[in-house]
Amino acid sequence: GAVVSQHPSWVICKSGTSVKIECRSLDFQATTMFWYRQFPKQSLMLMATSNEGSKATYEQGVEKDKFLINHASLTLSTLTVTSAHPEDSSFYICSARDPAGAVNIQYFGAGTRLSVL
Amino acid sequence: DAKTTQPNSMESNEEEPVHLPCNHSTISGTDYIHWYRQLPSQGPEYVIHGLTSNVNNRMASLAIAEDRKSSTLILHRATLRDAAVYYCILRDTGSARQLTFGSGTQLTVLP
Repeated sequence: GAVVSQHPSWVICKSGTSVKIECRSLDFQATTMFWYRQFPKQSLMLMATSNEGSKATYEQGVEKDKFLINHASLTLSTLTVTSAHPEDSSFYICSARDPAGAVNIQYFGAGTRLSVL
Repeated sequence: DAKTTQPNSMESNEEEPVHLPCNHSTISGTDYIHWYRQLPSQGPEYVIHGLTSNVNNRMASLAIAEDRKSSTLILHRATLRDAAVYYCILRDTGSARQLTFGSGTQLTVLP
């Protein structure tokens, strides 16, 4: 199946700093990528939909100025957590759909565990 | 997307078959049944999908009820590496929207 690469897998940062997470589709072009967040013992919650060449669409309650999304190419989307605080500590996961693939299967990155001190 | 209902948790012994149920009584005629799983500290991975007929692949089998109101994911021989949260998700044909995850079934495999 298609591969989505996410980097870094794990990051620790000080409160107030910004962290950038990259999500790449390695063997297909993704016009749309999705960013999820998962807190311990909970399910994945969609944060935003990233559209190549246009602004991201954010879910209700997600601050677009805090979670900056850039989807400048068909294979790369980035999520920047600006001025991170301890409550932003979570597991962030990106996914992409291979438009040439069958029946809208989504492929997921391995996730990024963010710990804000 | 229509709602699915899964047990919160299940246990299985290693090398025995596992049947993970999913109820989707409000499924529409154009909804595919997708299964994903999430291993600890990993992103979800695709397992299998089907529409009406039973499906087999190298990872699992999917048995779909005749009325399509329920389905069962079958792992033929559970291994310790199959311990994960399994999600049953309905997807409309041609939908390009995001996957919406419920709480899934936490599968524990006992050695």
